[in-house]
Amino acid sequence: AQRVTQPEKLLSVFKGAPVELKCNYSYSGSPELFWYVQYSRQRLQLLLRHISRESIKGFTADLNKGETSFHLKKPFAQEEDSAMYYCALSGLGAGKLIFGQGTTLQVKP
Amino acid sequence: ETGVTQSPTHLIKTRGQQVTLRCSSQSGHNTVSWYQQALGQGPQFIFQYYREEENGRGNFPPRFSGLQFPNYSSELNVNALELDDSALYLCASSLQGGDQPQHFGDGTRLSIL
Repeated sequence: AQRVTQPEKLLSVFKGAPVELKCNYSYSGSPELFWYVQYSRQRLQLLLRHISRESIKGFTADLNKGETSFHLKKPFAQEEDSAMYYCALSGLGAGKLIFGQGTTLQVKP
Repeated sequence: ETGVTQSPTHLIKTRGQQVTLRCSSQSGHNTVSWYQQALGQGPQFIFQYYREEENGRGNFPPRFSGLQFPNYSSELNVNALELDDSALYLCASSLQGGDQPQHFGDGTRLSIL
């Protein structure tokens, strides 16, 4: 079955600390993976996708097919990074996303 | 560039009733996908519309149906509402082809009494 698992509902760190939001997936084919973010009072928006291999707002994510993971990392958290983060898999076809349950990142001053 | 707009923002219905939710896609986008997000959960894919036809469906019963119009806007219809249908319904638009980024609306909050 195609599935995305985000094991942490809440991750709380201090400003300047490293952040790693975990995402594991189950998919038999070649996965397309994404991170979406929802800031307070804003709509869900794309943060980054593995195919682009880019860094957005200091965040990076590497696809590890051996461990079936796509963890989101940032070396130094900022207060403005506080938000809900969703990992998503394009497993049903283009544009049809399977989301994880989400992780709330709380960055304390 | 006009973003994705959804209406209404909130809706209250009773069990057994029918509901229609509306979505206007972002300018230039030809594909619309609908998601259901229950409280505390991630969005769950309902179906996608492209060229006015259903182009893929998630694990939802037939009482969830949709339409797409020539201007790419879309409707989600739910018949015989059940209590478990209470959720935030999100619409996302994109271009077709490859894995284009999904652009989400603010959603419609549906409450079933």
